[in-house]
Amino acid sequence: DAGVTQSPTHLIKTRGQHVTLRCSPISGHKSVSWYQQVLGQGPQFIFQYYEKEERGRGNFPDRFSARQFPNYSSELNVNALLLGDSALYLCASSLAGGSAAGYGYTFGSGTRLTVV
Amino acid sequence: GNSVTQMEGPVTLSEEAFLTINCTYTATGYPSLFWYVQYPGEGLQLLLKATKADDKGSNKGFEATYRKETTSFHLEKGSVQVSDSAVYFCALSDLQGAQKLVFGQGTRLTINP
Repeated sequence: DAGVTQSPTHLIKTRGQHVTLRCSPISGHKSVSWYQQVLGQGPQFIFQYYEKEERGRGNFPDRFSARQFPNYSSELNVNALLLGDSALYLCASSLAGGSAAGYGYTFGSGTRLTVV
Repeated sequence: GNSVTQMEGPVTLSEEAFLTINCTYTATGYPSLFWYVQYPGEGLQLLLKATKADDKGSNKGFEATYRKETTSFHLEKGSVQVSDSAVYFCALSDLQGAQKLVFGQGTRLTINP
């Protein structure tokens, strides 16, 4: 079975541009979460979606947005890119949208975004 | 808010040495606790988890016990291998508001042959 798949794997963008990152969850998983991992730090929560509805949002500016599609895949959009947005963006899927207790999350390999 | 503090790295050990990576947490309620591992150039892999006090999670020779009284979840392995070289993250599930994982800063482990 395919795991969590993310595309693209690497991306270079210029300051001020817009970027769209994509994620396909494990088959049967209805919850998708996005995390930002800056080099040398732990991942930081950006969004969680469950059944196409936003269930949670981390402390990120409005330049960050996301959505989940009927097939449970998801997109993360970032507008007006800043140098500080350079990071590994991780997508995680889970069976349920509730507490992570007992389920954990399965992570994809991430999209490495470099803003120049 | 909820937080996780990990032992600062990097940690360098010889093969077959005993490993401990300390993790303590601050949380409201009784979160689930996790250890994730990240190999170079890859995403995070769930290593083990514990969902309630005194539970012991184990996988691939690694163990961690959920200690409510000391708010700790230290990772241990009796005999490390070169292939264990990676970055290890302790995390908890935030039970309030957004259902998210809160991670520590990570501990880089290098095992020398």
